[in-house]
Amino acid sequence: QVQLQESGPGLVKPSQTLSLTCTVSGGSISSGSYHWSWIRQPAGKGLEWIGRISTSGSTNQNPSLKSRVTMSVDTSKNQFSLKLRSVTAADTAVYYCARMGTYPQPFDYWGQGTLVTVSS
Amino acid sequence: QSVLTQPPSVSGAPGQRVTISCTGSSSNIGAGYDVHWYQQLPGTAPKLLIYGNTNRPSGVPERFSGSKSGTSASLAITGLQAEDEADYYCQSYDSSLSGSRVFGGGTKLTVL
Repeated sequence: QVQLQESGPGLVKPSQTLSLTCTVSGGSISSGSYHWSWIRQPAGKGLEWIGRISTSGSTNQNPSLKSRVTMSVDTSKNQFSLKLRSVTAADTAVYYCARMGTYPQPFDYWGQGTLVTVSS
Repeated sequence: QSVLTQPPSVSGAPGQRVTISCTGSSSNIGAGYDVHWYQQLPGTAPKLLIYGNTNRPSGVPERFSGSKSGTSASLAITGLQAEDEADYYCQSYDSSLSGSRVFGGGTKLTVL
């Protein structure tokens, strides 16, 4: 059974960089043709897709966040990561990592989510 | 403003049938891209409920079903149970947004 776990600071200051890592267990991140995504959810609001990365390193991001987002993957550690630059209070949210399954690529496995608050 | 439009809330009594709509456009659902549905119980991560418009992952009860027509999709829940009270989200792919995955705004289901 695949499991995902987000980790990273729960508090980030405005204008700084939010950094999160997702550790995948129960299987190799490189097995199969899976892509790996980040999704966030502000308190009381809906889900927003941030972007996805393949194990070859190819990415695409939500156009509204693309200029501030960097994603990377470390297959040796079975992890993938998110960096979001120049954060503001509007970036405060629960951040989820998720696996994109085989075609048609639904988000079939999710981490439990981690709350990141942007505040001085 | 979400790319996919869902009603903010729906409700039904135990045992009844409810449907949740998800309306898109010609660059997402109307272009033939698949719709997936997720259930989010309070305080938990979303869970995949329906994928590829009509398919249920293993373990999802047959009470949940999905359909798609034109630029819209629907989730139907029959034999409503108290444990179905949750937020439901539709999701698809949008070709006009650089390959973005897009979500509906979510629908709160209340079991009366």
